[in-house]
Amino acid sequence: AQSVSQHNHHVILSEAASLELGCNYSYGGTVNLFWYVQYPGQHLQLLLKYFSGDPLVKGIKGFEAEFIKSKFSFNLRKPSVQWSDTAEYFCAVFEWNTDKLIFGTGTRLQVFP
Amino acid sequence: DSGVTQTPKHLITATGQRVTLRCSPRSGDLSVYWYQQSLDQGLQFLIQYYNGEERAKGNILERFSAQQFPDLHSELNLSSLELGDSALYFCASSLPPGPGGFGEQYFGPGTRLTVT
Repeated sequence: AQSVSQHNHHVILSEAASLELGCNYSYGGTVNLFWYVQYPGQHLQLLLKYFSGDPLVKGIKGFEAEFIKSKFSFNLRKPSVQWSDTAEYFCAVFEWNTDKLIFGTGTRLQVFP
Repeated sequence: DSGVTQTPKHLITATGQRVTLRCSPRSGDLSVYWYQQSLDQGLQFLIQYYNGEERAKGNILERFSAQQFPDLHSELNLSSLELGDSALYFCASSLPPGPGGFGEQYFGPGTRLTVT
């Protein structure tokens, strides 16, 4: 079965710093990849998604992610974070044979002004 | 607003009791998923329904059950509640994978359950 690893459990940054959150999935083939964000006290919201084509995908709020097939990775990036980006970020992979989204354990991002 | 609705927003109940959480998926979505989120366990997939039929089971306790009705809304029933069942319960919905649907799920606002 597919699994997802998010190696950074807790990241602390100052405003305007650059962000990169790691995400690795366990095996190849056709993958649909997602990043979700959960702001404090709220539900998960879709940040961006990759299905095919350009491996650099852009999402909402200035976030982007790069799919690197050879590394089984889908890292999330933002050039300059804001205090309002404080949230938990989840990477997910769609598992075709079970029709399930497999989530990573999440990365908690804290941005200080 | 994802288009997925959940009721109630908050629920406080005592140990041993039974509660029902309700979810209405986005218009056109056939799949409904239930998740439990707690501080110690993180986000746990419980169960999935597709067009009224159970499709997949995750870490769902025997004390918990769910169903999806003909109008596609779903209910999660939690019985013999324990303190450890206190958590956020999210429902999500999605289109079937294929043209127009690539597996992304849209989450509802959640029900916060507190068992005292």
